[in-house]
Amino acid sequence: GENVEQHPSTLSVQEGDSAVIKCTYSDSASNYFPWYKQELGKGPQLIIDIRSNVGEKKDQRIAVTLNKTAKHFSLHITETQPEDSAVYFCAAPANTDKLIFGTGTRLQVFP
Amino acid sequence: NAGVTQTPKFQVLKTGQSMTLQCAQDMNHEYMSWYRQDPGMGLRLIHYSVGAGITDQGEVPNGYNVSRSTTEDFPLRLLSAAPSQTSVYFCASSRTSGGAYNEQFFGPGTRLTVL
Repeated sequence: GENVEQHPSTLSVQEGDSAVIKCTYSDSASNYFPWYKQELGKGPQLIIDIRSNVGEKKDQRIAVTLNKTAKHFSLHITETQPEDSAVYFCAAPANTDKLIFGTGTRLQVFP
Repeated sequence: NAGVTQTPKFQVLKTGQSMTLQCAQDMNHEYMSWYRQDPGMGLRLIHYSVGAGITDQGEVPNGYNVSRSTTEDFPLRLLSAAPSQTSVYFCASSRTSGGAYNEQFFGPGTRLTVL
């Protein structure tokens, strides 16, 4: 079955710097890779996703890159702001109905 | 729309007690699921449903039961609570079956402590 590994577990950056979170997956058949953001005391919320027919997707300050050969994908946040502080989860499908999440990255952005 | 709602927000149980965590959505979503979140473990899928009357097991189903009698509701039952079930529980829904390939909408969570 699918296994998703996520690194780092914690990440601290200065406001304005960039942050990168990396995930690897095991099932080469996986072709959908979402990223979720969880703010304190709330449920996770989808922020961006990528399907395997593209190598990169951007949405304002966030971007996701996918390397299918190496089976890894990354979340990039540029010009970080204090409101980016949260826990971020990557995920990949084990099948059409089971989404497997990574262990999460706690991002802290210091003013 | 209220989205996905969960009750209660907090719960403390004693070992061996039973309880039901409630989850409801008002978006007419076919797919619903339950996750537990533990420190360092991420979100792990407990059970899911692709429609009324259809449920299946996720990664960590032991100790939990589910049913789906309506499109809107997907309760999670703990028949005999154990300290290992201390966790934060999230319910989620997705527009169609094939929920792993669509946006999941999460509820606010239930924090459960088993003494």
